[in-house]
Amino acid sequence: DTAVSQTPKYLVTQMGNDKSIKCEQNLGHDTMYWYKQDSKKFLKIMFSYNNKELIINETVPNRFSPKSPDKAHLNLHINSLELGDSAVYFCASSRGSSIGAQHFGDGTRLSIL
Amino acid sequence: GESVGLHLPTLSVQEGDNSIINCAYSNSASDYFIWYKQESGKGPQFIIDIRSNMDKRQGQRVTVLLNKTVKHLSLQIAATQPGDSAVYFCAETEGTYKYIFGTGTRLKVLA
Repeated sequence: DTAVSQTPKYLVTQMGNDKSIKCEQNLGHDTMYWYKQDSKKFLKIMFSYNNKELIINETVPNRFSPKSPDKAHLNLHINSLELGDSAVYFCASSRGSSIGAQHFGDGTRLSIL
Repeated sequence: GESVGLHLPTLSVQEGDNSIINCAYSNSASDYFIWYKQESGKGPQFIIDIRSNMDKRQGQRVTVLLNKTVKHLSLQIAATQPGDSAVYFCAETEGTYKYIFGTGTRLKVLA
């Protein structure tokens, strides 16, 4: 019954590799997001998509490429991983047609060796 | 610039007491504010929200107060319980699709 689910929960990989994180929501929302949470718990928005269209790209390096195959999915692909990419990445969704709270997944902890 | 900040990074409260978590925001045009609770290993979870045309909203054991004059938001938790231990974030919206989060306050409930 998970509303927003992300996979994998943990991701450990070498610097320079390419990896993907998947996100799915079953809430019928039309807007999805990716956030990065650093070691100090600071949450920063990276991307938001509304009806599969990119709405916000918060000056994220182009090594990060989100893809939304449909409204229920927003995946995040990261190329040439760097040490600074180590963080917890959260996917979220909301009903974008009106202001409302977001629903978050439980995060993907990415560790770069 | 855009920033939503918290005055206290860690708050320790005796079980049964009331907790007050504060947040300052900088965008006077923000019209929607949310408080989230994040437990260890979990994503932020919605607690309560408030629109800018209100100054107070109550939920179950929680109250949010909004003072637009000084751009201040607070979350009050009544009769704090051990299960309330978590990191609390305030967030404001910039338009419909952008949410700006504060730096978070860790609430520790002492038995």
